Amino acid sequence: GESVGLHLPTLSVQEGDNSIINCAYSNSASDYFIWYKQESGKGPQFIIDIRSNMDKRQGQRVTVLLNKTVKHLSLQIAATQPGDSAVYFCAENFRAGNMLTFGGGTRLMVKP
Amino acid sequence: DTAVSQTPKYLVTQMGNDKSIKCEQNLGHDTMYWYKQDSKKFLKIMFSYNNKELIINETVPNRFSPKSPDKAHLNLHINSLELGDSAVYFCASSRDTYGYTFGSGTRLTVV
Repeated sequence: GESVGLHLPTLSVQEGDNSIINCAYSNSASDYFIWYKQESGKGPQFIIDIRSNMDKRQGQRVTVLLNKTVKHLSLQIAATQPGDSAVYFCAENFRAGNMLTFGGGTRLMVKP
Repeated sequence: DTAVSQTPKYLVTQMGNDKSIKCEQNLGHDTMYWYKQDSKKFLKIMFSYNNKELIINETVPNRFSPKSPDKAHLNLHINSLELGDSAVYFCASSRDTYGYTFGSGTRLTVV
């Protein structure tokens, strides 16, 4: 399944399935994008990033895809685990002072 | 060792009071930030501070004033607290755009 990161929607997946979280970013001048994971009571934690001169980047169990034509970013999590349950945010950098602009977040719930 | 640490973790105060939140980073980063997260989890940049240059998000009320005694510290002082200031405030730091690291947050409740 997939979900758009606005108004904190919820994506519910079965343990072991793959998850896809989507994000529509706002500024075509953005040159750097980051996905963050936020668990309850904690600060956002870096997952993976991608620069605008790339369209795909892979990490351990995670892949980020960037489509600059439609200003779309996605996070794919392979073999989703209960520990992946959290709120996921995309963020873009285009402002002065290296400030990040965050999307609205998507809550991922993993069913055992 | 905690990379970005904030104090206090929880802060409950009355309307009209003045309060401060402290932030320290031991990563050697040159830029520090304050973000506000509302009840709907929306994260919004408030300030960026780099090499004594302060960049302010123009939507932040001037009751909020960041103060950076040195490169490793960025404190947030809030005057005349209002109910709408209740939120979780996150400090972060980075080296240029990279290595963006967040603290664990300060939950501010104004009553």
